[in-house]
Amino acid sequence: DAGVIQSPRHEVTEMGQEVTLRCKPISGHDYLFWYRQTMMRGLELLIYFNNNVPIDDSGMPEDRFSAKMPNASFSTLKIQPSEPRDSAVYFCASSLTGRKGEKLFFGSGTQLSVL
Amino acid sequence: DAKTTQPNSMESNEEEPVHLPCNHSTISGTDYIHWYRQLPSQGPEYVIHGLTSNVNNRMASLAIAEDRKSSTLILHRATLRDAAVYYCILRDNSNTGNQFYFGTGTSLTVIP
Repeated sequence: DAGVIQSPRHEVTEMGQEVTLRCKPISGHDYLFWYRQTMMRGLELLIYFNNNVPIDDSGMPEDRFSAKMPNASFSTLKIQPSEPRDSAVYFCASSLTGRKGEKLFFGSGTQLSVL
Repeated sequence: DAKTTQPNSMESNEEEPVHLPCNHSTISGTDYIHWYRQLPSQGPEYVIHGLTSNVNNRMASLAIAEDRKSSTLILHRATLRDAAVYYCILRDNSNTGNQFYFGTGTSLTVIP
């Protein structure tokens, strides 16, 4: 398996534009997580899905952020409109089950810069 | 949420063992202890996890205190490739879900 695949690898956009980040989890994994990493706040969990259903989105910073998982092999994180403070590395991760001994597999991340 | 406390940074000489500590005094009886590491410009990667007993794998060993309020990740022979940020995490399986909460981690520097 190719692992968790994220695209794009880098995204530079201007304030006010819509940004869409994409993630393909490992095939067969039932859980998908979106994280954001900044120097100030470290790794923050934004939202996670179980079997394509959003379970907890309490980490989503505000209404400008939305996430979808239309099928088991694809998820998007959208920011509309984007702001400079959204600049961060966004990681997607997946796990086979939700059991507490289960491993998380991370993608390589999307480096987002909002000018 | 059960929290973990780790030193911000540590140094080790190459080819020497490294002991990375983690305190988790509020751990619940069913929480698993996970360790992940993040190499520069990469996503975090799994290292090891355990519940009560010490664990060994090809990457590292995990020593868990008898009262489970602390644990230590052991790299037996540090290499330059082990320079990374190491995160100690308790898998939270509260009623709100199955989140992994990452703290600030320990930045490990390996000196040639």
